[in-house]
Amino acid sequence: TQLLEQSPQFLSIQEGENLTVYCNSSSVFSSLQWYRQEPGEGPVLLVTVVTGGEVKKLKRLTFQFGDARKDSSLHITAAQPGDTGLYLCAGYRGSNDYKLSFGAGTTVTVRA
Amino acid sequence: GAGVSQSPSNKVTEKGKDVELRCDPISGHTALYWYRQSLGQGLEFLIYFQGNSAPDKSGLPSDRFSAERTGGSVSTLTIQRTQQEDSAVYLCASSLVRRADEQFFGPGTRLTVL
Repeated sequence: TQLLEQSPQFLSIQEGENLTVYCNSSSVFSSLQWYRQEPGEGPVLLVTVVTGGEVKKLKRLTFQFGDARKDSSLHITAAQPGDTGLYLCAGYRGSNDYKLSFGAGTTVTVRA
Repeated sequence: GAGVSQSPSNKVTEKGKDVELRCDPISGHTALYWYRQSLGQGLEFLIYFQGNSAPDKSGLPSDRFSAERTGGSVSTLTIQRTQQEDSAVYLCASSLVRRADEQFFGPGTRLTVL
């Protein structure tokens, strides 16, 4: 059983459309991270959110951490083919935890 | 600067054989992690090294799996008597300190057990 549940598992959209990926848990996390992974490569960190209710923007990507620190979302505006990849959420549960718990990932395909 | 490197990039082996996977972390990074990524699954924690401290081996799935880190740098993950269910991508990551904001991942080794 995954500690972090991601939805949807797969997402295929047309270039220019918007998309949202969700990451949910019944547990509280001290911080959550979002990574993007491309085929044949390791995950690359996009953002870390640490405060409940926090919203961070990275160009066309908006990340939100839930008020209760149990969930997070990633929203992409006007998606481009370069946004294609596997998006993974991950988090540290306790303030002294050093092991990241990962969600199963969401495969995003943006068609030109 | 150089990132995390892993070798080999691909490994095909027969059931029952032993394999060794290598990870070269970023120079100066004290923390090193091994993860396993199976198809359709997220990353599964295997083992964690921090400086000269005893490693956290709590994620190793069986006693066929072992890892070592020599001189606080290069790490080797060894799988003995491989089974088909060991087929996966094995990822190594390093970070500057324990519980760093960012873990830097290598490209992984894709292991296929026939």
